[in-house]
This record gives sequence, structure tokens and C-alpha cells, in this order.
Amino acid sequence: KQEVTQIPAALSVPEGENLVLNCSFTDSAIYNLQWFRQDPGKGLTSLLLIQSSQREQTSGRLNASLDKSSGRSTLYIAASQPGDSATYLCAVPNAGGTSYGKLTFGQGTILTVHP
Amino acid sequence: KAGVTQTPRYLIKTRGQQVTLSCSPISGHRSVSWYQQTPGQGLQFLFEYFSETQRNKGNFPGRFSGRQFSNSRSEMNVSTLELGDSALYLCASSAGTGVTEAFFGQGTRLTVV
Repeated sequence: KQEVTQIPAALSVPEGENLVLNCSFTDSAIYNLQWFRQDPGKGLTSLLLIQSSQREQTSGRLNASLDKSSGRSTLYIAASQPGDSATYLCAVPNAGGTSYGKLTFGQGTILTVHP
Repeated sequence: KAGVTQTPRYLIKTRGQQVTLSCSPISGHRSVSWYQQTPGQGLQFLFEYFSETQRNKGNFPGRFSGRQFSNSRSEMNVSTLELGDSALYLCASSAGTGVTEAFFGQGTRLTVV
């Protein structure tokens, strides 16, 4: 059974800092890994999707890396801003068969960026 | 291109009642998945529908059911509501084949009193 862990559970940083969020998963047979952002009481916004054959993906100030063999992914946020404050979640689809639509989520990292 | 639409956004129901939630996926997407989010349990997978067939199922009681229509819109039904069913219910839309990105709706906040 796939298990996803995110560290740290919460992070509070001053504006302008570069920061790293960590995600680990127990079953390395994954198709891809996706990072999401969730604002309080809202749905999830997809940030980055990394395919299993890729090592990293970049979008603006965000960079995500994937190391399948060690079961780890990191989300790097450069020059953080107060608007980045949210909960960040990573998710993987279950391996095998047609489990594309079944994502297993970590518990998330609550990020607060203060001015 | 329109995103994933969930209706209604908020619901208040009484214990024992039933409720139906709706999800309209992104045009062209054939997979709709449903998740329950609570502070204690996080995001938990309920089920996935692909081309009108349930393809995957999570570990929830039979009171939770769903269906998908030929236009890919999906509904989720919860019967005999319990207080513990209070949660944010999210649906995700994806192409459903190959390496596919999931897009989520804004969710339906269900409160059972």
C-alpha cells in the first residue's frame, strides 16, 4: 500500500527566503508525481506534474525534482512571497493496472510567508 | 477552457438524510475521481469513474456511491448521513489514460447536523 509523507508539517519563513518542501513515498513504481497548492476552504490547484521518466520540472519560481529510486520529491520555492502562503500537497497515483485516477496524498505542508 | 465545476458549494443536511453532489469535468476528460477531505484524515480517495464505469474504489462504506453519465459528468451520493460525513468533498478531472494531470474543482462543503 502506497504511503506518502511530507516534511515539514508546517513552515513559517520571512518574505524573500528560498525554501524546500519534502515528499517521500513508499512504493517507487509510480507513473508520475504531482504537487498541489490549497488555500483555506478551497480546492486544489495543480502546480507541477513530474513524469516518472523526468528528474525535474520548473514553473516560474517553482522547481520540483523527483528521485524515484529513493522515493523522494522536493518542491523548491524561490524568493518566497506572502501570496505563497497555503498548504502544499504532493500526490502519486497508485502503481499498476489502471490506477491513474487514484491519487494517494501526503498530509501536506502548511506554509506561512510573513512580510 | 472551463475548469472543473462542483455544485453545490455548500450544503447543510440533517443526520439520516441523503445528499447528492455533482461534478462536471473539463471538456474531453473521461475520468472523474472523488475525494473526502477532513482535518483529521486528510484527503482520502472515494472512487473513480472512467467512461461511465467505476474503475477504482476506496475504503468507504456502501453509503457512499457514485455514477458517471455519458457526458462524463459525475454524481456522488451519500445516504443515511452521519455527523462524521461532514467534510470537504473534492472531485478531480483527468484524461484518464497514460500520464495524466489531475485538475480539481473548488469542492462541496457538506455539514451534517
